[in-house]
Amino acid sequence: DAKTTQPPSMDCAEGRAANLPCNHSTISGNEYVYWYRQIHSQGPQYIIHGLKNNETNEMASLIITEDRKSSTLILPHATLRDTAVYYCIVSSTPYSGAGSYQLTFGKGTKLSVIP
Amino acid sequence: DAGVTQSPTHLIKTRGQQVTLRCSPKSGHDTVSWYQQALGQGPQFIFQYYEEEERQRGNFPDRFSGHQFPNYSSELNVNALLLGDSALYLCASSLEAAEAFFGQGTRLTVV
Repeated sequence: DAKTTQPPSMDCAEGRAANLPCNHSTISGNEYVYWYRQIHSQGPQYIIHGLKNNETNEMASLIITEDRKSSTLILPHATLRDTAVYYCIVSSTPYSGAGSYQLTFGKGTKLSVIP
Repeated sequence: DAGVTQSPTHLIKTRGQQVTLRCSPKSGHDTVSWYQQALGQGPQFIFQYYEEEERQRGNFPDRFSGHQFPNYSSELNVNALLLGDSALYLCASSLEAAEAFFGQGTRLTVV
């Protein structure tokens, strides 16, 4: 799986958009970009994933550059409850047969939402 | 739906002992993965089970073994515990290639 690079920490004012960058310059054509977050003392929580098109769900938006070498996770209106470590992960999905993908976590970005 | 449940939540063991951790996947999920998370680090993949067989394995020694039952629940066994095995052990369940749902983890302390 391709390696990802994320800033170790970021601050964001409450109510503002949080933009979390991720570099994945060695991503291959069949690899997806996944974002998970981990709030202190809890298990990681799935946020969103995408292949090459921008994606949006109720939690966040994922913007992937045209060359797919980087992406940005956007939390449109950050709240104090969004304070967490955010992990950007690149992984292929074995659509042949059942079974899931292996997630390779780095150290992520610690996002602090400031009141 | 109870989501992914793990037991116990906390555990203290002595070096050299054996431990068994348990995981019940989210309803309808057939694939279970186990991760180890040391303090200050991201989770590290241990192995994945599907149809009661180990499908993938990370870079962990044979002291780490697992099992999946017909109802898709799973166990993680660690033999000959070392101090370095102290960590949060996370179970994740999924269905085919969908996103993984994680449990709250079992905090293992080896003394």
